[in-house]
Amino acid sequence: AQSVAQPEDQVNVAEGNPLTVKCTYSVSGNPYLFWYVQYPNRGLQFLLKYITGDNLVKGSYGFEAEFNKSQTSFHLKKPSALVSDSALYFCAVRAINSGGSNYKLTFGKGTLLTVNP
Amino acid sequence: ETGVTQTPRHLVMGMTNKKSLKCEQHLGHNAMYWYKQSAKKPLELMFVYNFKEQTENNSVPSRFSPECPNSSHLFLHLHTLQPEDSALYLCASSQDYRDRISPLHFGNGTRLTVT
Repeated sequence: AQSVAQPEDQVNVAEGNPLTVKCTYSVSGNPYLFWYVQYPNRGLQFLLKYITGDNLVKGSYGFEAEFNKSQTSFHLKKPSALVSDSALYFCAVRAINSGGSNYKLTFGKGTLLTVNP
Repeated sequence: ETGVTQTPRHLVMGMTNKKSLKCEQHLGHNAMYWYKQSAKKPLELMFVYNFKEQTENNSVPSRFSPECPNSSHLFLHLHTLQPEDSALYLCASSQDYRDRISPLHFGNGTRLTVT
């Protein structure tokens, strides 16, 4: 069964500092990986995805994520955090399963990011 | 504006009530989803409809009953719920459930409280 682990329930950073939100995954075969963000009282918004190619993926609002196959990780990063980045962040994985019928998108529990002024 | 609209935003209901949640998408997508979001737990996929056909039912209790009359509309009918069913219910859509690359687009959810 596929799974996603976000080992930190909460991450606190000061505004202007770099931020990292961690994600590791388990899937049969190769993965498609996604990051979503949820602001208070809102649904999830797509940030970025890794499909294939360059391991460093750039997304919305200055976020990027690095795919590391050997460590089965897909950590979310931003060079300089903003107070407005404070939100709940979800990592998700889907299996590249050509010929199979497993289309399920599996989410992690989420990490609450707080950026302090 | 997300392109996926959910109503109502908030719902309080007793355990003997019957209510329905509504979702509408204006993105031309063919797949629609219901998720349950509870605090500190992964999102739980409840139901998936692809081209109006139900393709996933993840062992959801029968007190939750989905309906998908067309690719743009999705309902979740609720009856005799339990307090532990209190959660944020999220609707989402995507181009096609079998398309593993396309991201999901979510509505803002219905906050359900069962008293």
